[in-house]
Amino acid sequence: ETGVTQSPTHLIKTRGQQVTLRCSSQSGHNTVSWYQQALGQGPQFIFQYYREEENGRGNFPPRFSGLQFPNYSSELNVNALELDDSALYLCASSLGPAGTDTQYFGPGTRLTVL
Amino acid sequence: GIQVEQSPPDLILQEGANSTLRCNFSDSVNNLQWFHQNPWGQLINLFYIPSGTKQNGRLSATTVATERYSLLYISSSQTTDSGVYFCAVRPSTGANNLFFGTGTRLTVIP
Repeated sequence: ETGVTQSPTHLIKTRGQQVTLRCSSQSGHNTVSWYQQALGQGPQFIFQYYREEENGRGNFPPRFSGLQFPNYSSELNVNALELDDSALYLCASSLGPAGTDTQYFGPGTRLTVL
Repeated sequence: GIQVEQSPPDLILQEGANSTLRCNFSDSVNNLQWFHQNPWGQLINLFYIPSGTKQNGRLSATTVATERYSLLYISSSQTTDSGVYFCAVRPSTGANNLFFGTGTRLTVIP
């Protein structure tokens, strides 16, 4: 039990739609990172939020966007869904944005795009 | 970017056997974590080990940072150890995110 929660657990959307995924970080953590895990692969970094500002981004198009709220919870928004967006989306919280901080992962949201 | 390679890709063990999983990385790192991903997708932290040796029950890990590899040891394996084991690193320079290997899928049979 990491104290990081995500909702919903599963989601089915059709191509072209938009989706919002949510993450609540562990108590005391001010940094949230989002990762996408395609079937059979390791997670890939989407972006990180620290104190409500984007603090680093991986190789994902602008239709992947995010928010972090004053309570440090976070949202991942994906517009114009494509079939390849089907994946497990994981969020991780850490004490701070330093790369040396341990990241704790939530249970994930499994997104299926039809 | 940094390359992270894990071996073996798949491992099948009889319950009670021991195993060693390896993680090689191509650049210097200041964060290395081992995770166990259960069948439901949850990534469970096993070790934060950018260098040195740690032990936690039947599991132990060693990272030799100067030679750019880490090892995860599982002793007296149990069926609940089944799942995918990931090594993730953060390079000493550059972005603050973790880079994951492709994982080792472990199956422990009774």
